[in-house]
Amino acid sequence: EDKVVQSPLSLVVHEGDTVTLNCSYEVTNFRSLLWYKQEKKAPTFLFMLTSSGIEKKSGRLSSILDKKELSSILNITATQTGDSAIYLCAVDDVINTGTASKLTFGTGTRLQVTL
Amino acid sequence: GAVVSQHPSRVICKSGTSVKIECRSLDFQATTMFWYRQFPKQSLMLMATSNEGSKATYEQGVEKDKFLINHASLTLSTLTVTSAHPEDSSFYICSARDDWGANQPQHFGDGTRLSIL
Repeated sequence: EDKVVQSPLSLVVHEGDTVTLNCSYEVTNFRSLLWYKQEKKAPTFLFMLTSSGIEKKSGRLSSILDKKELSSILNITATQTGDSAIYLCAVDDVINTGTASKLTFGTGTRLQVTL
Repeated sequence: GAVVSQHPSRVICKSGTSVKIECRSLDFQATTMFWYRQFPKQSLMLMATSNEGSKATYEQGVEKDKFLINHASLTLSTLTVTSAHPEDSSFYICSARDDWGANQPQHFGDGTRLSIL
């Protein structure tokens, strides 16, 4: 069974701190790994990673995939209160060697940034 | 960017009522859409994959007669919770993937919070 594990489960930091969120996975036919941010409503897309070792960056957020270690990290530098959210990691797994695939989500990391 | 619209955002209704939730891709075509359910403080659980013009694929343990899915066009999928009961109360979220280009991410609607009294 496909499995995605995130750590830590929750984190409280002060504004300005840097945080690193972890995601590890076990899937049958890996296609990509995705990071989403969920506030009060549904998740918003952050990154999609397919190749090992290539960092993706968007402002203060960055992420990298390690296919050998079956893991990924999401870094947030100079955190702000607006970064407070649940960060979800999901792995896109190909179904039956076809083109169809589905996402398996981790339980998320709840990040709280305080003043 | 890719926008997915989900409606309604909130439903409160009596036990036994059937509830329809719509999911639309506003600026792209989506042959495949996905329906998830999220319980409080838990992650998203895939319920079914909605395929335009054909039957949906349901995950193990999800009753297809209870959760009816129709994907009649390339931009619209609907989920109908039939004869809803309090245990069906949850946050339902749809997502869609742009058909154009390979390996596109799923984009999510804002979700529907369903409360059955």
